[in-house]
Amino acid sequence: DTGVSQNPRHKITKRGQNVTFRCDPISEHNRLYWYRQTLGQGPEFLTYFQNEAQLEKSRLLSDRFSAERPKGSFSTLEIQRTEQGDSAMYLCASSPWHLDYGYTFGSGTRLTVV
Amino acid sequence: TQLLEQSPQFLSIQEGENLTVYCNSSSVFSSLQWYRQEPGEGPVLLVTVVTGGEVKKLKRLTFQFGDARKDSSLHITAAQPGDTGLYLCAGARDGGSQGNLIFGKGTKLSVKP
Repeated sequence: DTGVSQNPRHKITKRGQNVTFRCDPISEHNRLYWYRQTLGQGPEFLTYFQNEAQLEKSRLLSDRFSAERPKGSFSTLEIQRTEQGDSAMYLCASSPWHLDYGYTFGSGTRLTVV
Repeated sequence: TQLLEQSPQFLSIQEGENLTVYCNSSSVFSSLQWYRQEPGEGPVLLVTVVTGGEVKKLKRLTFQFGDARKDSSLHITAAQPGDTGLYLCAGARDGGSQGNLIFGKGTKLSVKP
């Protein structure tokens, strides 16, 4: 297993366009998380899945954001009608069933909305 | 409201110096974790502390969890340029079997040769 993989690494899009990011977690991990990080800040929680069930969504996740994890494997995060304020690093992480084991993060997708 | 406050926010030191960074909260956590993040990459887990008063060492890095499980510190001895990065603390609540980690804003460390 090569760790958590995120694609694409970088995305530049025009305001108003839709974008979709993909995350492939470590196969043995049943939990998958999405975070957003802006410059000078720590990661902010967006949503998480246990297997295919989306168990929690942050208030940060407006109705323009949607995440899926079909069959409990890879996950996608879609942002519709992007705004300049959506520009950030989007991080995916996976973990075993208990948080004390910690997260394994991917390298992130850097989104720039112009 | 920031649940985990990290200090200092920025730290620039010379190679060979010692330093301590802090992670404080008014909330109790079942565990606290420390991550290091380099530019353009995701954070990498350094350590998890789960017991109040626990001390863990990782080469030149010493991590401590406060007795009340509300705070933690990271001490680096004889810092090296390779220690440069963003150090993040993250806390787990509710026993750690559900929910997500809450991150602080981080301490950006620069070690100059």
